[in-house]
Amino acid sequence: NAGVMQNPRHLVRRRGQEARLRCSPVKGHSHVYWYRQLPEEGLKFMVYLQKENIIDESGMPKERFSAEFPKEGPSILRIQQVVRGDSAAYFCASSRGTGFYKSTDTQYFGPGTRLTVL
Amino acid sequence: GQQLNQSPQSMFIQEGEDVSMNCTSSSIFNTWLWYKQDPGEGPVLLIALYKAGELTSNGRLTAQFGTTRKDSFLNISASIPSDVGIYFCAGRGYNNNDMRFGAGTRLTVKP
Repeated sequence: NAGVMQNPRHLVRRRGQEARLRCSPVKGHSHVYWYRQLPEEGLKFMVYLQKENIIDESGMPKERFSAEFPKEGPSILRIQQVVRGDSAAYFCASSRGTGFYKSTDTQYFGPGTRLTVL
Repeated sequence: GQQLNQSPQSMFIQEGEDVSMNCTSSSIFNTWLWYKQDPGEGPVLLIALYKAGELTSNGRLTAQFGTTRKDSFLNISASIPSDVGIYFCAGRGYNNNDMRFGAGTRLTVKP
């Protein structure tokens, strides 16, 4: 009965390095969402993916950020050439998908990856 | 984009007291959800509301989807120390990705 898994839970990078954050959705869920949370704030939508497709990346910065959800394996959020302002908690959520019943759209969250850029 | 106003920002209450928090929006939402986040963890879904006017309970928690579809409230009755955490409302439009979060209500319960 595994929920959404994210790793690593904590990631420290120096400015200019790359950060790769991984997310394994709930078994049977084919929709993945990435959110960013700054201290004392709510979650901000970044990107929505289905298997092998990016559906909506309107919340993701155009430069340095990319996301994928391959046919096999976890979803990856990649941040190239990190800067101090990228320090935040990054959460992944998954849902079963869009169906007739709205309950299938409900998003369940992972424990997050806390990125610190030195 | 749609903005959610969640209030209060923080609450300090005595164990056993009831708690009420709410979210309002300038736009209509199709679904309202309430999550709780403990320090260092991800949000955990408490209650999901899918229909205007819907009133749903989960143990000591009760939430309602406002009839105008622009607001929702969450009540916690007889609070206990483990209720401590940050409570977020979230509203979703017609698309899966169209979900917006409030800034959270930080709840402290004094024994």
